Amino acid sequence: KQEVTQIPAALSVPEGENLVLNCSFTDSAIYNLQWFRQDPGKGLTSLLLIQSSQREQTSGRLNASLDKSSGRSTLYIAASQPGDSATYLCAVRPRGAGSYQLTFGKGTKLSVIP
Amino acid sequence: NAGVTQTPKFQVLKTGQSMTLQCAQDMNHNSMYWYRQDPGMGLRLIYYSASEGTTDKGEVPNGYNVSRLNKREFSLRLESAAPSQTSVYFCASSYLDSYEQYFGPGTRLTVT
Repeated sequence: KQEVTQIPAALSVPEGENLVLNCSFTDSAIYNLQWFRQDPGKGLTSLLLIQSSQREQTSGRLNASLDKSSGRSTLYIAASQPGDSATYLCAVRPRGAGSYQLTFGKGTKLSVIP
Repeated sequence: NAGVTQTPKFQVLKTGQSMTLQCAQDMNHNSMYWYRQDPGMGLRLIYYSASEGTTDKGEVPNGYNVSRLNKREFSLRLESAAPSQTSVYFCASSYLDSYEQYFGPGTRLTVT
């Protein structure tokens, strides 16, 4: 059974710092991996989707990388801002049967201090 | 585009009561999903629908039923609510299985 781990569970950084969030998964037979942001009391907002054949995806100050063979993805946030404070979740989609079932990590809660 | 909408936003039920959570999307997506989010457990899939008239069980389907009324709407029904169903429920949709999923704002349900 696929397991997705996000460490640390919480992270606090000063404004302006570059930071990296980590996501690891146990089964490398994935179709793609998606990063989400969740603000308190809100739904999930999709940030980046990275296919298993890709190494990186970029959107603005965000860059996601994927190393399928080692079961790791990172989300790099450049020049962090207080508005980046939220919980960041990663989710993997398996290959083959049941490919509609995303497996989510429990998230990293990010606080960016002004 | 409203994206994915859910009603109600909040609900309190007594044990044994029934209710239906409504979800609609206006993005012409084929696939729709119901998740629940619990502290310490993360998001877990309850049911999935690939298209109108088709549904599949997810990881935690017990105690729930779903109905894909048409391409836009996917409802989740609790026939006899239990305190273990206290959770935040999210509906999501995607163009196809392998595409990005887009989430609604959630329904916060408390069963007493």
